[in-house]
Amino acid sequence: IAGITQAPTSQILAAGRRMTLRCTQDMRHNAMYWYRQDLGLGLRLIHYSNTAGTTGKGEVPDGYSVSRANTDDFPLTLASAVPSQTSVYFCASSERGSDTQYFGPGTRLTVL
Amino acid sequence: GQNIDQPTEMTATEGAIVQINCTYQTSGFNGLFWYQQHAGEAPTFLSYNVLDGLEEKGRFSSFLSRSKGYSYLLLKELQMKDSASYLCAVIDSNYQLIWGAGTKLIIKP
Repeated sequence: IAGITQAPTSQILAAGRRMTLRCTQDMRHNAMYWYRQDLGLGLRLIHYSNTAGTTGKGEVPDGYSVSRANTDDFPLTLASAVPSQTSVYFCASSERGSDTQYFGPGTRLTVL
Repeated sequence: GQNIDQPTEMTATEGAIVQINCTYQTSGFNGLFWYQQHAGEAPTFLSYNVLDGLEEKGRFSSFLSRSKGYSYLLLKELQMKDSASYLCAVIDSNYQLIWGAGTKLIIKP
């Protein structure tokens, strides 16, 4: 692994289903982030974690949950997917909260 | 509220120079980033400014004026591969990163 990986690359999901997007980094960064990117709206922060064991809410947290059990992994869970959650999801990490963020390749999620 | 403004789209010619502007109104300021994002790919870091002035990095330069709440990204000797979206992002007083919607740059031969 080099940098940040995300899985799956893309997914089509029925509304109401539960889904976990995976994110793993091997840079030993303290801070990790989940964004969604929709056309014309730019990147919007869903949740973040400044260090293992802590998480915080971003701009659009409703319908999403995260956990940070260790430094490397930061999964994002949609408990009951809705069509408005159709988006491209990016995971990112940085050494500390205000440092340069490095992004994973993204997950394209479609909720029908 | 917090706001970052960038033009939605710009067009330029291969070999030319283009300036992409970013103005911001945020609660405090602790730095400004520029990222490049090719279609279908992840954003990648281009530059960081925290003090006023120009930072030059090869064909790309970034300028900051904190008093005016203004930055620009200058791209010289444009190449077709520079066709991408350019994202401006500001660190606010809570050390949260506020993102602009991005400027789509189209390069024509």
